[in-house]
Amino acid sequence: DTGVSQNPRHKITKRGQNVTFRCDPISEHNRLYWYRQTLGQGPEFLTYFQNEAQLEKSRLLSDRFSAERPKGSFSTLEIQRTEQGDSAMYLCASSSPEDSSTGELFFGEGSRLTVL
Amino acid sequence: AQSVTQLDSQVPVFEEAPVELRCNYSSSVSVYLFWYVQYPNQGLQLLLKYLSGSTLVESINGFEAEFNKSQTSFHLRKPSVHISDTAEYFCAVSMSGGYQKVTFGIGTKLQVIP
Repeated sequence: DTGVSQNPRHKITKRGQNVTFRCDPISEHNRLYWYRQTLGQGPEFLTYFQNEAQLEKSRLLSDRFSAERPKGSFSTLEIQRTEQGDSAMYLCASSSPEDSSTGELFFGEGSRLTVL
Repeated sequence: AQSVTQLDSQVPVFEEAPVELRCNYSSSVSVYLFWYVQYPNQGLQLLLKYLSGSTLVESINGFEAEFNKSQTSFHLRKPSVHISDTAEYFCAVSMSGGYQKVTFGIGTKLQVIP
């Protein structure tokens, strides 16, 4: 078990470009979460999957954001037409059913996005 | 909806001195409470949690937190800090029972001074 893996770790892009981040959760974890963290703030919930089903989306997730988990394993978070306000650390976390009932999340190291 | 307030954004403390990181929560229902820690260049990891039972919970590296329902607090304490405790600490809350979204505070940066 290598923990939650996120790629790329850093992404610099120009405003208006599309970016995609990938998250590979811990293998036996069926629940996967995306959070966003900006400077001076704590992680903010974006969305949550149980297996391949996206069960909750935050109002923070505008129409330019889309997340998928097609086979219930890895997940992708795509941001279209990036804006400077999208610059942040995007965090992925996973949990097993037992862990999620108590709120314990296992985080990856994050993907840092800088939009120029 | 629940929320978390961490009053101190930064806490400098000398090595071997005691420290308290404050956390207050707001919720109209029963909650689970957590402290997560983020060491430099690492992901967040769970430090300790309160689910039910004893209101005093401890971590393996000497931190403890006490759930105080009347004051809606879950302050984190350590009697003697080490350089290796330098990190950012996040208080978090979720509603108890089944899956519930975890809501985080803004974090407190603990800087241990040699």
